Amino acid sequence: DTGVSQNPRHKITKRGQNVTFRCDPISEHNRLYWYRQTLGQGPEFLTYFQNEAQLEKSRLLSDRFSAERPKGSFSTLEIQRTEQGDSAMYLCASSLGQSPYNEQFFGPGTRLTVL
Amino acid sequence: AQTVTQSQPEMSVQEAETVTLSCTYDTSESDYYLFWYKQPPSRQMILVIRQEAYKQQNATENRFSVNFQKAAKSFSLKISDSQLGDAAMYFCAYRSENYGGSQGNLIFGKGTKLSVKP
Repeated sequence: DTGVSQNPRHKITKRGQNVTFRCDPISEHNRLYWYRQTLGQGPEFLTYFQNEAQLEKSRLLSDRFSAERPKGSFSTLEIQRTEQGDSAMYLCASSLGQSPYNEQFFGPGTRLTVL
Repeated sequence: AQTVTQSQPEMSVQEAETVTLSCTYDTSESDYYLFWYKQPPSRQMILVIRQEAYKQQNATENRFSVNFQKAAKSFSLKISDSQLGDAAMYFCAYRSENYGGSQGNLIFGKGTKLSVKP
């Protein structure tokens, strides 16, 4: 299957620890997005890449968050000094091309629990 | 800033019946796209249907159709002949056509949880 994959699927960590998530988009998709979804809410945009360039970051992305897409393929999202408020589902999506009409394909998400 | 509102946290429908999920949005833009996404329990989100704002004709995908009222900024989803597999969270989403600014990220509502009774 060539869908969007995310690892790990679940992560439990203690407050103050650093965590890193990985997203593998659909092959040849040049756009990659990160969203955060908390309980009872819709996904909220965090950041997106076109190839290896990070083109936009939401105000939700504090300086404890960093995302990379070094070779324009997979992406990583790192959270430093985690806080309980970081507990959420982190979703990755990818799309082909620049048109806003193009479908974003979502991965299964990484559920983060900060104790 | 654009916002999307789904006023029905939960809805229920009998199998084989029809249900309509509501969505309103706020924007000052004239060109944009609207989407309905389905998120089954513990499964990934998938696109159900999309609508270009410049098109007056309502989009249809098999049992799924929308009622797009641009002036009212309303975008409802109708599911006909409901099936057990339709049970999921449904999210309405907005996407700007602005190529220069927020290019392509989706703005979601809070979702509507749909239950289908056998």
